[in-house]
Amino acid sequence: EAGVTQFPSHSVIEKGQTVTLRCDPISGHDNLYWYRRVMGKEIKFLLHFVKESKQDESGMPNNRFLAERTGGTYSTLKVQPAELEDSGVYFCASSQRGLAYFSGANVLTFGAGSRLTVL
Amino acid sequence: RKEVEQDPGPFNVPEGATVAFNCTYSNSASQSFFWYRQDCRKEPKLLMSVYSSGNEDGRFTAQLNRASQYISLLIRDSKLSDSATYLCVVNNDYKLSFGAGTTVTVRA
Repeated sequence: EAGVTQFPSHSVIEKGQTVTLRCDPISGHDNLYWYRRVMGKEIKFLLHFVKESKQDESGMPNNRFLAERTGGTYSTLKVQPAELEDSGVYFCASSQRGLAYFSGANVLTFGAGSRLTVL
Repeated sequence: RKEVEQDPGPFNVPEGATVAFNCTYSNSASQSFFWYRQDCRKEPKLLMSVYSSGNEDGRFTAQLNRASQYISLLIRDSKLSDSATYLCVVNNDYKLSFGAGTTVTVRA
């Protein structure tokens, strides 16, 4: 079974530019999550899709961040315009069922992450 | 107060030793708990889930104390390959809250 795939693995951009990160979840996983780790901090939740719908976007830091999941398959996370404090590692994760279910199907599998450096 | 707090370590132990560390969480309504392992510059990988009082998987034992709001992880017979950062993860309102991690280094 292919895992969660993220692209690019590393992106270096100038402040004010735009970057789009992509995540391909495990096939058949309706739940897709974006998390972020900034330098020296713990991993933080950004948002949660169920199929193509945003279930919870309470962790999105501001309106410079836009996440989409057209067709309920892959997802993109766009940062526009990027600021210095956006630097960090952006992880995508997927699961068959949501965290409301207490079973192995709710376990999140993480991708390798996209490291973003804003100069 | 942070949602999830962990002793950052590092815990330096010889091969074959037992190492244990705790994690505390602030939300008494938290529904479920996980230990993830993260190797340097890699993604977090699930080590075990903890839904009731505890869980055991081979050399790894997790215990949950809801009254005191902590989860522990114990590693028996440590292997060199156990060297990693262990993330305590709590299900709060159907999204995960992560601790900053506990670093374990197993030496030969």
